[in-house]
Amino acid sequence: QSALTQPASVSGSPGQSITISCTGTSSDVGSYNLVSWYQQHPGKAPKLMIYDVTNRPSGVSNRFSGSKSGNTASLTISGLQAEDEADYYCNSYTRTGPAYVFGTGTKVTVL
Amino acid sequence: EVHLVESGGGLVQPGGSLRLSCEASEFTFTNYWMNWVRQAPGKGLEWVGNIKQDGSTTHYGDSMKGRFTISRDNAKNSLYLQMNSLRVDDTALYYCARDAYSTGSLDLWGRGTLVTVSS
Repeated sequence: QSALTQPASVSGSPGQSITISCTGTSSDVGSYNLVSWYQQHPGKAPKLMIYDVTNRPSGVSNRFSGSKSGNTASLTISGLQAEDEADYYCNSYTRTGPAYVFGTGTKVTVL
Repeated sequence: EVHLVESGGGLVQPGGSLRLSCEASEFTFTNYWMNWVRQAPGKGLEWVGNIKQDGSTTHYGDSMKGRFTISRDNAKNSLYLQMNSLRVDDTALYYCARDAYSTGSLDLWGRGTLVTVSS
């Protein structure tokens, strides 16, 4: 179960949109709509932002959206705000196991 | 208020064992798959494993297989992680987390308990 690949860092100015990619394989992201995304601020537990590729839990801002194409899932943050500065992790079900696997993580910086 | 509280972390020597606990409150524990996730200092999240609602099925990450065992006691609303043959690289903050929809959608997390493996 190799970690899913995410860019180490992504940055944007307030109000802009950014997209974080999460690349897996046909054994995980490519075959299952079971991708979730987590936001983690320093010293805090992760928070679920997106589940099942596109679904937003109650209470999560609609500025966060998810999508998938082939073996790559994406998280888009629109109208970037200072409070969005955090680490973001994707997660997918994988038939190798079966199990779940996290991405390598992306640090989002608001310029 | 719904929450999860982990306990049992501490300092252990390489090759030793430790048992972590996670107590659930204010939700129907038996409705959910439960997970353990860990995070080494300054590193990313790593999925440890999960257990089905009735405890009949468990799955583990590759580096945990054969060394870690997840169990639950539904009468006590508690989740457990038995860790044996601990290695230095098992040092991490260990979180328990609830799977909201049985799809890896971890919607409720505890604050974590720190495990340090060192001689």
